[in-house]
Amino acid sequence: AQKITQTQPGMFVQEKEAVTLDCTYDTSDPSYGLFWYKQPSSGEMIFLIYQGSYDQQNATEGRYSLNFQKARKSANLVISASQLGDSAMYFCAMREVLTTSGTYKYIFGTGTRLKVLA
Amino acid sequence: DTGVSQDPRHKITKRGQNVTFRCDPISEHNRLYWYRQTLGQGPEFLTYFQNEAQLEKSRLLSDRFSAERPKGSFSTLEIQRTEQGDSAMYLCAIPSFPGANVLTFGAGSRLTVL
Repeated sequence: AQKITQTQPGMFVQEKEAVTLDCTYDTSDPSYGLFWYKQPSSGEMIFLIYQGSYDQQNATEGRYSLNFQKARKSANLVISASQLGDSAMYFCAMREVLTTSGTYKYIFGTGTRLKVLA
Repeated sequence: DTGVSQDPRHKITKRGQNVTFRCDPISEHNRLYWYRQTLGQGPEFLTYFQNEAQLEKSRLLSDRFSAERPKGSFSTLEIQRTEQGDSAMYLCAIPSFPGANVLTFGAGSRLTVL
């Protein structure tokens, strides 16, 4: 079963406007973490923001904020004041504990390609 | 400088050949992950090391794949008898700092199997 779902294959946003990238997740583990990574055309994976399942406040990092709705199992990324350099693939990911060995496993969604228009 | 060095960055090989990728964390980390990313997809988990012990392997890791981390520092991922379906980016990742939740990824090794 798909554990991380990103339903938007591609998104466009006008420069300086805000954009929301959707992410829903599924887990039975009460302790988990949610992440967003950016992957520009150069290919490197760049960490943007993290939200722990027990965190009361929504995470924010500069122009990035994570809209965490635990009951709805959603962790949407909001980018404010979009810049041309924000054009990239964006991946939502979840960290959950594997019960067999107690190790952490990170699962990624299929990504959303964001294009910022001048 | 991502904290993780991967080599080679690009590898083109003919079907049936063996290839080996290397991942070198700049500093010591007990946890190390390998992921595979095909075009237009997100990274898929392949395997996980805690120090030198390989604790988890994905079903994606067929018997043609083997990974090692002999001294708990660098790691290698070998693919034997490569197939065209093995063409992908192979990513290595470590915690951003000891005990961190966040993973730092290397730049990846891109494999093309002709």
